[in-house]
Amino acid sequence: ETGVTQTPRHLVMGMTNKKSLKCEQHLGHNAMYWYKQSAKKPLELMFVYNFKEQTENNSVPSRFSPECPNSSHLFLHLHTLQPEDSALYLCASSLATGGHEQFFGPGTRLTVL
Amino acid sequence: ELKVEQNPLFLSMQEGKNYTIYCNYSTTSDRLYWYRQDPGKSLESLFVLLSNGAVKQEGRLMASLDTKARLSTLHITAAVHDLSATYFCAVDIGNNDMRFGAGTRLTVKP
Repeated sequence: ETGVTQTPRHLVMGMTNKKSLKCEQHLGHNAMYWYKQSAKKPLELMFVYNFKEQTENNSVPSRFSPECPNSSHLFLHLHTLQPEDSALYLCASSLATGGHEQFFGPGTRLTVL
Repeated sequence: ELKVEQNPLFLSMQEGKNYTIYCNYSTTSDRLYWYRQDPGKSLESLFVLLSNGAVKQEGRLMASLDTKARLSTLHITAAVHDLSATYFCAVDIGNNDMRFGAGTRLTVKP
């Protein structure tokens, strides 16, 4: 596979569930990102990892927990979410942070009931 | 408050016509990106503009950046139906942060 892949593509979960989103990039990049795209808000940056180290956390609630075991994989662990967390969650990668072009995955459409 | 404003948010145009989408931002930045998103799909990188006066063209799309005016434009020439999509500008504001505009939903009609 090439590019940035995300699984699952669709996820429906209850507020008490625990689930994880997975992102994998095959571009040899060193930086990975999680974004949230809601219907009524601009795309929001959630987390940034550079060489497996988290460099940015844009005041994201603790019910979202990222994990980056290596430069190619990024997870977003979800627990006790709220209905307003329903959105498209996009993963992206870039060669490095500091303004490099980002390449996006197809996204996971999350619905919280 | 940092703002990235796109104008218009919705654009319906006929095939063969020209139009410009504007992206204004309120902070100092010399890096700006344009992305395209088709319904149900992810974001596709269109242009990376890295300096004042940068101009890039790809097919019927041309993007420019004026860092002094804090303005970028995406010009569409002789639109075709395949260009129908939502177009986002994104501004690099430093500290590994990028802020996106709300998007311009473009519909090109025959």
